[in-house]
Amino acid sequence: ETGVTQTPRHLVMGMTNKKSLKCEQHLGHNAMYWYKQSAKKPLELMFVYSLEERVENNSVPSRFSPECPNSSHLFLHLHTLQPEDSALYLCASSQDIRPDTQYFGPGTRLTVL
Amino acid sequence: KQEVTQIPAALSVPEGENLVLNCSFTDSAIYNLQWFRQDPGKGLTSLLLIQSSQREQTSGRLNASLDKSSGRSTLYIAASQPGDSATYLCAVNGNQFYFGTGTSLTVIP
Repeated sequence: ETGVTQTPRHLVMGMTNKKSLKCEQHLGHNAMYWYKQSAKKPLELMFVYSLEERVENNSVPSRFSPECPNSSHLFLHLHTLQPEDSALYLCASSQDIRPDTQYFGPGTRLTVL
Repeated sequence: KQEVTQIPAALSVPEGENLVLNCSFTDSAIYNLQWFRQDPGKGLTSLLLIQSSQREQTSGRLNASLDKSSGRSTLYIAASQPGDSATYLCAVNGNQFYFGTGTSLTVIP
């Protein structure tokens, strides 16, 4: 089983829809992360969770709402998104919160119409 | 805020050639630096991690160096192969990971 899995792999949604992205890690790690990757821009850190507690929110709009029910699962709930939110959303995990190496999932390609 | 720059943005080389990818960063207060590979539409695969106290790391045909004082790292790929074609990302780990925009490598058979 791949270390970090993400579902769905592709998602198309309208601006009024509500959807959720799911991430699961099978590595026994304590920290999980959400990143946004837009074309021609560096990866942007969105949220960091350590032992199921949010420890960082990098000024992300409230239309993105994370949830971490346990150390193996991470969700990103999406609501009333904008076309500029279309991007590849990557989940990662690490043994502990910084400065450990991170292991990435395959990403969810999101398109907002 | 840490800024990470990767040069060149794109590189095309014939198979078998040795090549060097560059990464520079503005704040030398880092824990480590990591090189990743990303294939189109996919996630990141870790290639090499260099701790701030180290000067280089090697894995197979890959060698990464770190000069923390000058804010530079290089990724050396020996005897390039078409399967090496991908985008290579440099990430600097300070209080969080900061990524460069990557170098898109094409190895021509």
